[in-house]
Amino acid sequence: EPEVTQTPSHQVTQMGQEVILHCVPISNHLYFYWYRQILGQKVEFLVSFYNNEISEKSEIFDDQFSVERPDGSNFTLKIRSTKLEDSAMYFCASSWDTEAFFGQGTRLTVV
Amino acid sequence: GESVGLHLPTLSVQEGDNSIINCAYSNSASDYFIWYKQESGKGPQFIIDIRSNMDKRQGQRVTVLLNKTVKHLSLQIAATQPGDSAVYFCAERHNQGGKLIFGQGTELSVKP
Repeated sequence: EPEVTQTPSHQVTQMGQEVILHCVPISNHLYFYWYRQILGQKVEFLVSFYNNEISEKSEIFDDQFSVERPDGSNFTLKIRSTKLEDSAMYFCASSWDTEAFFGQGTRLTVV
Repeated sequence: GESVGLHLPTLSVQEGDNSIINCAYSNSASDYFIWYKQESGKGPQFIIDIRSNMDKRQGQRVTVLLNKTVKHLSLQIAATQPGDSAVYFCAERHNQGGKLIFGQGTELSVKP
C-alpha cells in the first residue's frame, strides 16, 4: 500500500540552527501539506502546496519557514533559526482529492 | 471563528462494548469531514470520511454520523477492541485540496 515517507524520524538541533525535514508523498497525489503537533495537543496546519506553489499557509508559517518540491518526488520543510518552541512532531501529508494520508512524522527537538 | 472541537477529552470503554466519540464543528461551509486515529508516536491514520451531502457512512466496524443542523459529527466503533485504544481526531475541510482543521482529540481507552 502506498505511503507517505518522512525522514528523519527524530531530529535534534541547537537553537538558532536550520533544519530541513524531508518527505516523499504518495506518487500520484496532487496536494501536499505540512502539519505540526506540539506534544499533547491537536494537529495544526502549517502549509499546503499545489501545482508547484503554496496554496495556503497558516499564521504559524512565517518567514522562518519555507517549503520546496525540488525534484517531483521530495517535499521538504525548512525551518531557519530554530527556536525552543519549534519543538514538535512535524507531519507531511498528501492527497489526490479528499482523503489525506499522513506520514509517521519527524520529531524535532530544539535544545 | 474556525474550530473543530471535541466534547470529551477521554473515553473509557469495556472490550466488546460500542464506543461513540463526538465532535462539534463551527464552520457550516465545510464540505468534507474525516476521522483519524493516532497511536502514540505515530501519524494520524485515516479511519472514515463523509461528505457534507451525506448524513451517515459505514465502514468496517465504524460508522460516521453527520448532523449539519447542529454541526455535530460522531464516530461509532462497534465491538471495541484493545487495538482501538488511541487518540481520535475529527477534522473538517472547506474546499477540495484545502487544509484540514483538526479538533482537540479524544483519548479512547479500552479495558479488557
